[in-house]
Amino acid sequence: QKEVEQDPGPLSVPEGAIVSLNCTYSNSAFQYFMWYRQYSRKGPELLMYTYSSGNKEDGRFTAQVDKSSKYISLFIRDSQPSDSATYLCAMSDPNAGGTSYGKLTFGQGTILTVHP
Amino acid sequence: DADVTQTPRNRITKTGKRIMLECSQTKGHDRMYWYRQDPGLGLRLIYYSFDVKDINKGEISDGYSVSRQAQAKFSLSLESAIPNQTALYFCATSDPGSGNTIYFGEGSWLTVV
Repeated sequence: QKEVEQDPGPLSVPEGAIVSLNCTYSNSAFQYFMWYRQYSRKGPELLMYTYSSGNKEDGRFTAQVDKSSKYISLFIRDSQPSDSATYLCAMSDPNAGGTSYGKLTFGQGTILTVHP
Repeated sequence: DADVTQTPRNRITKTGKRIMLECSQTKGHDRMYWYRQDPGLGLRLIYYSFDVKDINKGEISDGYSVSRQAQAKFSLSLESAIPNQTALYFCATSDPGSGNTIYFGEGSWLTVV
């Protein structure tokens, strides 16, 4: 079993829809949780960064972490065609180096297409 | 221009050949990384370096070597390429002062035939 599981999709939604992207994980030591967005032929870019459980909102994006269920989510409201990309969840254990050492465990990515 | 530049962006090479992927950055970060991305496996850390004299193995370093020529330059070498090293390779940088956000280059597609 992989440490981080992410449904690869692909996910196709109409413009304006609410998108829910999810990851589950097995390592209870993970403390930092991230979502990266990767456009075609580009490198991943950090979208959201949260520590421990709870919610974090940034514009149309909301990240949720439920450590008791080992489940994280990214919600995109009012989705736009420009949101079409691959979304990668990533997480780290600070006691094993974590982001300070580039030691992130990534999900495999969900391909999202938002059509006009 | 990109802050993290990788060359080449695409390369096809034959089994057994030596190939080097180069990375340079203008962000002024001390920490640099090489990752590999495979379909269904996400990104995995190959090597990381905190400065010119500090190089460390990551999760999947076998078959790879690196060189940190300067603060801004970090190269990845495959001494004898094999087909299962066909992947998308990313160089990345980070800075503790930036909350340890990792900044990725645009990637180098490597195909080993």
